[in-house]
Amino acid sequence: SAVISQKPSRDICQRGTSLTIQCQVDSQVTMMFWYRQQPGQSLTLIATANQGSEATYESGFVIDKFPISRPNLTFSTLTVSNMSPEDSSIYLCSVEIAGANEQYFGPGTRLTVT
Amino acid sequence: QKEVEQDPGPLSVPEGAIVSLNCTYSNSAFQYFMWYRQYSRKGPELLMYTYSSGNKEDGRFTAQVDKSSKYISLFIRDSQPSDSATYLCAMADNFNKFYFGSGTKLNVKP
Repeated sequence: SAVISQKPSRDICQRGTSLTIQCQVDSQVTMMFWYRQQPGQSLTLIATANQGSEATYESGFVIDKFPISRPNLTFSTLTVSNMSPEDSSIYLCSVEIAGANEQYFGPGTRLTVT
Repeated sequence: QKEVEQDPGPLSVPEGAIVSLNCTYSNSAFQYFMWYRQYSRKGPELLMYTYSSGNKEDGRFTAQVDKSSKYISLFIRDSQPSDSATYLCAMADNFNKFYFGSGTKLNVKP
């Protein structure tokens, strides 16, 4: 397994601003993922972030809105840019343990945009 | 049609009851099946992991996969108030693409 931390745990932001969410893992992992979870909804994958390459975005998500960095094997950031109230959600990072087909999640960042 | 269907509940049971949580899916390419438990204001926690069909038991929890029916279940025996959480099923194909159910909220009453 892996121990994952996220910062901040929650934030309230104004419309039009940006927030960067950090994800730190206690071991080196190749694949990291960013999800969004809205109340009562399933987890929606935003992008896959592999170290040493550009993030791969899912349909409906674009780099200009959700830029991602992956500078090393234990850390990633997700920025939510030019926020609107529709971006209010929980943002989760997860990692996959190589060869295990299992994903482990961080505690999430609860974002409210006013 | 969604890839994964899960009844959102809520499901309310008395302490000590046997709980059955279920998901159906449509993609026959799914090979890996997982159950996550998510407490309020926490991230999902991997509870059970199963490859292909069959049963897997871990303490009070049993995961069951029926690939012929595209149906997976999680059984909780002797349910406790501490089991109150949202349970998400998840599946993955051979390309490591994960699909999640929307979660079933369980409340175990003391």
